[in-house]
This record gives sequence, C-alpha cells and structure tokens, in this order.
Amino acid sequence: NAGVTQTPKFQVLKTGQSMTLQCAQDMNHEYMSWYRQDPGMGLRLIHYSVGAGITDQGEVPNGYNVSRSTTEDFPLRLLSAAPSQTSVYFCASTPPDRANEQFFGPGTRLTVL
Amino acid sequence: QQQVKQSPQSLIVQKGGISIINCAYENTAFDYFPWYQQFPGKGPALLIAIRPDVSEKKEGRFTISFNKSAKQFSLHIMDSQPGDSATYFCAAMNYGGATNKLIFGTGTLLAVQP
Repeated sequence: NAGVTQTPKFQVLKTGQSMTLQCAQDMNHEYMSWYRQDPGMGLRLIHYSVGAGITDQGEVPNGYNVSRSTTEDFPLRLLSAAPSQTSVYFCASTPPDRANEQFFGPGTRLTVL
Repeated sequence: QQQVKQSPQSLIVQKGGISIINCAYENTAFDYFPWYQQFPGKGPALLIAIRPDVSEKKEGRFTISFNKSAKQFSLHIMDSQPGDSATYFCAAMNYGGATNKLIFGTGTLLAVQP
C-alpha cells in the first residue's frame, strides 16, 4: 500500500488564483480529512468526509471546497487564493477498525503571494 | 478558543534526560487522548494514546500521565535521544461521537542535544 499520498509537494500561487490539492489513499478508508498546519496554531481541521458523497465542515472551512466522489480521493480546492492561506496542508485517513487513529500524508507546502 | 492547550511551545533537553510536555482540555466529552509525533518534512504519526479509564500508559520510553479531575494529560519521554527531536502534538476526541474529529494542541518542538 502507498498509504496516503498528496500532490503537489510544493506550490506557489498568486492572490486570486485557484488550485486543487490532491489526496488519495489506497487503504479503503472511509473517513478522510484535511488539516492546515501553521506555526503556533497546531493542526486545524478544514473539511472532513465520512464516506463517498458525504462531506462536512471542520474548524476553518472558509475559502476551501471539497468533494468526495470516490472512497480513494479527497481533493481540496482553493477557489480564490489569499495570502492567509499560506500554510502546510495535510490530508489524513482513518481505518474503519481503528477509528481512533489517523494516517497522515506527507503534506503540501503552499505559498500565496 | 483553543480547546486543547499545550505547553511548552519549545523544549531543549540533554541526551538521557526526561522530556515533559503538558496538555489541558476543556470539553468533558473528550474520551480519547493521543499524542502525535512529527519529523521535519513529514506528516504527523500516532505515537501513543490513552483513554480516561486509566491514569498512565507506558510504551517503551514514552509514558502518558492522565489526570481526569484536572482535565490534564502529559507526555514523558524517558532517556531522551537525539532521534526523538521532533514536534509533538497532543490531541483529544470524543471517541464515541458521530465523527472522528481530532482536536489538536498547538505543538511542542523538542530538541534533544547530544
């Protein structure tokens, strides 16, 4: 298993541009989530999904959209990037038999100029 | 409002020493308290976790101490090694809740000096 994969690893955007951060897992996990990590702020939940076709907002959802058309993929869309969205983004998934553990991807470092 | 408060923000420990990181939570519905370890350039990974029905859990050199009445828990790293240098996050969740939402602390950057 490749685990949780994220692309790209690094991205630089200009204010107002849009982009999609990709996340995929090959472990057949139903629960997936997106976090952003900022210095002194820890990891904050952006959006999560409990299965294909079902998504919900986390702590900091504004400026981000998600969809979950398949179990494997959970992309995060930035509609109009802002400098405040400069961060490191992590995708995570949770196995159904270990609902207490989240497996994190390697992260995407995003800079918005 | 930070639901899980973590301290210190950074910690320097000599090799062989004890590293202690503290966390406090507000929500009494939380019933699962994990610690995640993150190395530079990597995603966090589960290190050790505790449920509130026990006051201590030990795995190798890593121990969680839990004080339910004070709503506090801490991570102790015994015989700290340079390879333990990483960022540590405490977290909390309502394990029996409708979702698996983890609430993370703000993180502690640990540096173990040789």
